[in-house]
Amino acid sequence: AQSVTQPDIHITVSEGASLELRCNYSYGATPYLFWYVQSPGQGLQLLLKYFSGDTLVQGIKGFEAEFKRSQSSFNLRKPSVHWSDAAEYFCAVGAPGGNKLVFGAGTILRVKS
Amino acid sequence: NAGVTQTPKFRILKIGQSMTLQCAQDMNHNYMYWYRQDPGMGLKLIYYSVGAGITDKGEVPNGYNVSRSTTEDFPLRLELAAPSQTSVYFCASSPTGSRNQPQHFGDGTRLSIL
Repeated sequence: AQSVTQPDIHITVSEGASLELRCNYSYGATPYLFWYVQSPGQGLQLLLKYFSGDTLVQGIKGFEAEFKRSQSSFNLRKPSVHWSDAAEYFCAVGAPGGNKLVFGAGTILRVKS
Repeated sequence: NAGVTQTPKFRILKIGQSMTLQCAQDMNHNYMYWYRQDPGMGLKLIYYSVGAGITDKGEVPNGYNVSRSTTEDFPLRLELAAPSQTSVYFCASSPTGSRNQPQHFGDGTRLSIL
């Protein structure tokens, strides 16, 4: 069965510092991977996705993620964090049969000034 | 662009009451989904639908029912509310069942059962 692990429940970074959020997946075939962001009281917004091709994918709001098959990872990065990036971030893998998503538990990002 | 609209945004229920969470999308998407989000647990799929008249169970369907009479609407019904159903509920849609189609989410319904 598919699964997604986000090892960090909370991360705090200083504004202007770099960010890396970890995501590990378990999936037998080629994974379809997504990162979503959820601001307080809001729904989920797609940041980026990976299906095939270049393993470094660019998303919105200056985020990028790198797919590493050998490590079963899809970590999210941003070179310089802004206070508005404070939110909860979810990694997800697309499961077969109806485009169902399997989500990780989420990582809450706090940004300190 | 409305996208996926969920109503109500907040609701408090008493144990044993019933209610329907509404979800509507205006993007003509065939696939629709209901998730629940609990702290530290991510989102879990309750039910999904691949088109009008067709629904199927997800990971956590117990205590819930759904129907899909139109492409636009996908209501979620709680028949006998229990405290374990206190959660934030998200509805989502996607154009097709292809795994390369990202899902579009509503803003959620926050439900408390006391």
